[in-house]
Amino acid sequence: DVQLQESGPDLVKPSQSLSLTCTVTGYSITSGYSWHWIRQFPGNKLEWMGYIHYSGSTNYNPSLKSRISITRDTSKNQFFLQLNSVTTEDTATYYCARQDSSGGTYWGQGTLVTVSA
Amino acid sequence: ENVLTQSPAIMSASLGEKVTMSCRASSSVNYMYWYQQKSDASPKLWIYYTSNLAPGVPARFSGSGSGNSYSLTISSMEGEDAATYYCQQFTSSPYTFGGGTKLEIK
Repeated sequence: DVQLQESGPDLVKPSQSLSLTCTVTGYSITSGYSWHWIRQFPGNKLEWMGYIHYSGSTNYNPSLKSRISITRDTSKNQFFLQLNSVTTEDTATYYCARQDSSGGTYWGQGTLVTVSA
Repeated sequence: ENVLTQSPAIMSASLGEKVTMSCRASSSVNYMYWYQQKSDASPKLWIYYTSNLAPGVPARFSGSGSGNSYSLTISSMEGEDAATYYCQQFTSSPYTFGGGTKLEIK
């Protein structure tokens, strides 16, 4: 069974960088699929942020393109989200997810990140 | 970007009642995906490739549609179906979501 678990700080100051880790168990992130980051704002709006393909290529939401980076550590079977220059509007629950052959995504449990001074 | 509009935003149904909710795309998509989210839980894949049920999803659920218009139907509402349902498209990046339909028990 493939499991995804997000981790990282739950409080980030404005103008700083938000960094999250998704640890994957039960499947190698280099074997297949795309590995996504999605966030849900207070009020429940969902925003797709981007993904890293098992080949290592990435695709980002243009609304975030200048601030976002998704990378990976294949030795630890982890992938990462970095979002720069955060504001209070980046306060959200952040999810990592895998997109399998069904085309749909299976999500981790999510982590709430608050941006506040 | 492709804007997905879900309607209604909130609805209520009696147990045993048939339920239908809609997702309309501003540009045509190849397939629609649906997720179910309950309070304090992450969204779960519910329907993929427009009409295929994800593993474990009861057969009373179905999905249909094409082009710009898609729907999710519950043939007979059960208590466990109360949740918020989101549609998502993967046809064109960015992969957008609808605003959700919150389904309550009447």
